[in-house]
Amino acid sequence: AQKVTQAQTEISVVEKEDVTLDCVYETRDTTYYLFWYKQPPSGELVFLIRRNSFDEQNEISGRYSWNFQKSTSSFNFTITASQVVDSAVYFCALSEAIVNDYKLSFGAGTTVTVRA
Amino acid sequence: DTAVSQTPKYLVTQMGNDKSIKCEQNLGHDTMYWYKQDSKKFLKIMFSYNNKELIINETVPNRFSPKSPDKAHLNLHINSLELGDSAVYFCASSPGKGLADEQYFGPGTRLTVT
Repeated sequence: AQKVTQAQTEISVVEKEDVTLDCVYETRDTTYYLFWYKQPPSGELVFLIRRNSFDEQNEISGRYSWNFQKSTSSFNFTITASQVVDSAVYFCALSEAIVNDYKLSFGAGTTVTVRA
Repeated sequence: DTAVSQTPKYLVTQMGNDKSIKCEQNLGHDTMYWYKQDSKKFLKIMFSYNNKELIINETVPNRFSPKSPDKAHLNLHINSLELGDSAVYFCASSPGKGLADEQYFGPGTRLTVT
């Protein structure tokens, strides 16, 4: 079963529009971490944010903001006033314990295209 | 300075061949990973090593064999390549193997099997 679901496969917006990427996760653990990564056209994955399961405070970093809601198992990501450079594939990921170790499970990614 | 580097960046080869991909990190991290990203962009972990010891070995064909000569290097050798092995392979590293550790990714190696 998919641990992390990103229901939106592709989103296309015009520059300066806001865009929200949905992420829903599934885990039985009480302690876990959630991440967002960005994969621009150049291909390399870039870490954006980490959030632990006990911290439901929303976070804002420049034009990026994240909304973590444990009640709905969601960790959504909003880009405000999008720019062409925001065009990328965005991945949500869940880090949880497995047997004697930890594992990062990625969602399928959402491709964001920002048109000038 | 490149934090996580992979060579080669592109690899085109024929079915049945054996090939290797190399990965090096200069971050001083203890844990390294191999991921496979398929044509639909889905990322799946294959292996992880912590201080040269294998800690995660997902359901991957035996044709794939990772080797970690030291904690800064993790190589991936693939025997008898098949068409389905075509993908982008990413190496990554993290400070530890903990729940909270963010992973730093290399630029990827695009493998095409013809």
